[in-house]
Amino acid sequence: AQTVTQSQPEMSVQEAETVTLSCTYDTSESDYYLFWYKQPPSRQMILVIRQEAYKQQNATENRFSVNFQKAAKSFSLKISDSQLGDAAMYFCAYRSENQGGKLIFGQGTELSVKP
Amino acid sequence: DTAVSQTPKYLVTQMGNDKSIKCEQNLGHDTMYWYKQDSKKFLKIMFSYNNKELIINETVPNRFSPKSPDKAHLNLHINSLELGDSAVYFCASSQHTGTGGEQYFGPGTRLTVT
Repeated sequence: AQTVTQSQPEMSVQEAETVTLSCTYDTSESDYYLFWYKQPPSRQMILVIRQEAYKQQNATENRFSVNFQKAAKSFSLKISDSQLGDAAMYFCAYRSENQGGKLIFGQGTELSVKP
Repeated sequence: DTAVSQTPKYLVTQMGNDKSIKCEQNLGHDTMYWYKQDSKKFLKIMFSYNNKELIINETVPNRFSPKSPDKAHLNLHINSLELGDSAVYFCASSQHTGTGGEQYFGPGTRLTVT
């Protein structure tokens, strides 16, 4: 069974600085997607970025980028120029082609941003 | 227009009661899901429906019964509520079950069982 691990329960970053959130996963499949979701205090789940496993190029969305290392099964999220609005819980998630579309989530990392 | 909506947003009830949570999506998606987020914020899939057919049932107690009257709706009925059922329940939808189908989440329903 696939698993997703986020080893940092909490992280803190100074406003305008850069922070990296870690995620590792375990799978024997070759086709899958990886996601980062943000959950602010409003509890709404917001998709931040996604990565297709077959793509070597790392995904980027404005200030958010990933470092996808397929062999190492690592998928970290880098947030550049951190803003107060980035403070939230961040979840790494895995989705395979063969399991009915379900997302398998990591435990989450609570990010705080200091002004 | 809200893409995925859930009602109610908050639900407080006593042990032993039966309650339902409703979910509707207006995205024209084929697949809908229920996830449970526990007190430690851990999210886990409960059910998935594709075109009104159940395709995922992740070892959820029989007290939980999903119902999909049509593609746009997926309701969750819970019988004989227990304290451990207290959680936030999220509905989500995606265009299809393939990896390309991004999931859009509803606002969640916070269920508190006293």
